[in-house]
Amino acid sequence: GAGVSQSPRYKVAKRGQDVALRCDPISGHVSLFWYQQALGQGPEFLTYFQNEAQLDKSGLPSDRFFAERPEGSVSTLKIQRTQQEDSAVYLCASSLGTSGTGEQFFGPGTRLTVL
Amino acid sequence: AQSVTQLGSHVSVSEGALVLLRCNYSSSVPPYLFWYVQYPNQGLQLLLKYTTGATLVKGINGFEAEFKKSETSFHLTKPSAHMSDAAEYFCAVDGGSNYKLTFGKGTLLTVNP
Repeated sequence: GAGVSQSPRYKVAKRGQDVALRCDPISGHVSLFWYQQALGQGPEFLTYFQNEAQLDKSGLPSDRFFAERPEGSVSTLKIQRTQQEDSAVYLCASSLGTSGTGEQFFGPGTRLTVL
Repeated sequence: AQSVTQLGSHVSVSEGALVLLRCNYSSSVPPYLFWYVQYPNQGLQLLLKYTTGATLVKGINGFEAEFKKSETSFHLTKPSAHMSDAAEYFCAVDGGSNYKLTFGKGTLLTVNP
């Protein structure tokens, strides 16, 4: 069956460019998460959606980061005016329900390199 | 606040040897605890989780972990390492948010023939 997919898998941006990263969660999954994984580090929480509602965006590093999930399925993470410190792997995860005991299924990530 | 400490960024074992990956957590409330594995260029895959109930949790691929509240630990073990176990392993805690995972920095496991 289809898992979580992310596109593009790799993105190179010049400093100052805007980028958009896409996440296709598992069909029917209510919860969707974005994480940022810097080199040699564990994933760090960015934001959480329950259907189309963004319930927590406390992990977004700055107001240059924006995420949306307008129809409660596909989500896009947008980074404006990229900086070198934004270079990381961006992971998307989804889970079926809204309970913290549920498994989060992760996509392969988008590796963003800002030059 | 919640946090996770994984002792040892790199663990090397021989094939057939015991695997022990250490994880200590801090949480102000009873936590949910998770171990995830990440193979190169792949997403994280759940190995096992502790939510409530039995403190010894069995997962996939022969791994297990024991929740020890008094030691605030959730170490991951496997009796006999296989070459296919070589990967990065992450411990994570949900300290009451019911959705937000805090991950450790990871432990890279290498298995020598």
